[in-house]
Amino acid sequence: AQKITQTQPGMFVQEKEAVTLDCTYDTSDPSYGLFWYKQPSSGEMIFLIYQGSYDQQNATEGRYSLNFQKARKSANLVISASQLGDSAMYFCATLPIGGTGRRALTFGSGTRLQVQP
Amino acid sequence: SQTIHQWPATLVQPVGSPLSLECTVEGTSNPNLYWYRQAAGRGLQLLFYSVGIGQISSEVPQNLSASRPQDRQFILSSKKLLLSDSGFYLCAWSVRGGAKAEAFFGQGTRLTVV
Repeated sequence: AQKITQTQPGMFVQEKEAVTLDCTYDTSDPSYGLFWYKQPSSGEMIFLIYQGSYDQQNATEGRYSLNFQKARKSANLVISASQLGDSAMYFCATLPIGGTGRRALTFGSGTRLQVQP
Repeated sequence: SQTIHQWPATLVQPVGSPLSLECTVEGTSNPNLYWYRQAAGRGLQLLFYSVGIGQISSEVPQNLSASRPQDRQFILSSKKLLLSDSGFYLCAWSVRGGAKAEAFFGQGTRLTVV
């Protein structure tokens, strides 16, 4: 079974500064993927970044980077140069890769990020 | 490229009426398909997932059912809606390519049961 913990219900950041959103996970799967999604007020879930459990390097996608520390089971999202449009809910999720168990995305409770001008 | 279509975007239904939400995926084969529900201001609750045609796993006992009549079609249904069925319903798909996985969501359906 998988469990995702996002300990920050809400975060504030000043425009143009960097912010780190925390995510820790607990899984017994030997191979898994870690995802971050952004959910603006419209409700759609926008894929941001992916990290495979066997990837040696931390994933980066534009202003998003994932600080993956496998031994600590953490996958924090770093947003650099925050913009007003980054204000949204952010969800961390894990998905088993392979195996015969439950092959579904498990989500954390989310972090609401507010970017202030 | 892969796309996922989910409709309708919003729906207002009376208590006791039936429900059918449809989701279709394009540009990929044999995806895993999912239905999630999100209450206002809350996280995502997995309702059903499917690893193939006719294969449905239910996560929580409830008033809903799901079917997968074709490889890239996933349907969420109810015979009689309850007030507690109100929420935001999201369809998603995932595929695995080697050691990498991808997972994307539809636009969602906001269901209000009155």
